[in-house]
Amino acid sequence: DIQMTQSPSSLSASVGDRVTITCRASQGISNYLAWFQQKPGKAPKSLIYAATSLQSGVPSKFSGSESGTVFTLTITSLQPEDFATYYCQQYNTSPFTFGQGTKLEIK
Amino acid sequence: EVQLVESGGGLIQPGGSLRLSCAASGFTFSTYPMNWVRQAPGEGLEWVSFISSGGSVIYYADSVKGRFTISRDNAKNSLYLQMDSLRDEDTAVYYCTRGSGSGYWGQGTLVTVSS
Repeated sequence: DIQMTQSPSSLSASVGDRVTITCRASQGISNYLAWFQQKPGKAPKSLIYAATSLQSGVPSKFSGSESGTVFTLTITSLQPEDFATYYCQQYNTSPFTFGQGTKLEIK
Repeated sequence: EVQLVESGGGLIQPGGSLRLSCAASGFTFSTYPMNWVRQAPGEGLEWVSFISSGGSVIYYADSVKGRFTISRDNAKNSLYLQMDSLRDEDTAVYYCTRGSGSGYWGQGTLVTVSS
C-alpha cells in the first residue's frame, strides 16, 4: 500500500499568515493527489485535485504544488474561516490512502 | 447543482447487516466513478471502496474486503454499500464521493455498530 505521510499534524498560525502543509507519498503517484478541508461536524470539501488544480469555486489563496513524491498545500492570508483540518489523498493506486490530517489552529 | 444524499445509517448489532444508499443529482451520474469514504468518531478519513462509472472496476480497503459490497444503478442515479458482518470498528460516518479525486461529497450517514 502507498503510505501518505502528512506534516505537520497540527499547526498554529495567526490571521494573515501564510502556511504550508506537506504530504509525502511512499512511492510514485504521478499527480493523482487531492487536498480536502474539513470543519468540525461537516463533510470534507475538495480544494485541489491533480496535485495543482483548484476546484471550482475555491479561492485562489489555496494552491498546490508537487515535486516528485512530495506534495504541498499552501494557504495565504489566513482568515478565521480557514482554520480547519486538512487532508491529502492519493488516488493513483488502490487503496486510495489519506494522510493523517493537519489541524490548523488559531494562535 | 451537484447533490449527493446518503441514507440507510443507524444503530446495528455486531454481526448484522446494513445497506447504505447515495442518491445523486445535478450531474450525469453514469459518467463518474464513485467512492465510499468513512470517518470514525474523532478520527481521520478512511477510504472504503471505489466503483468505476460502468461498474466493471471495483476496489476495496483491506479492512472491509469480503464483508462490504459496492454497487451502483445508473438508471436510478444511485450508489450503494452493502455492509455485512459488521464490527464495532465499522462505526463511522459514511460519505459517498464523486470522481476518483472525490471532488464532491455528501453530508454523510452515521453507522453505529454496538450491542
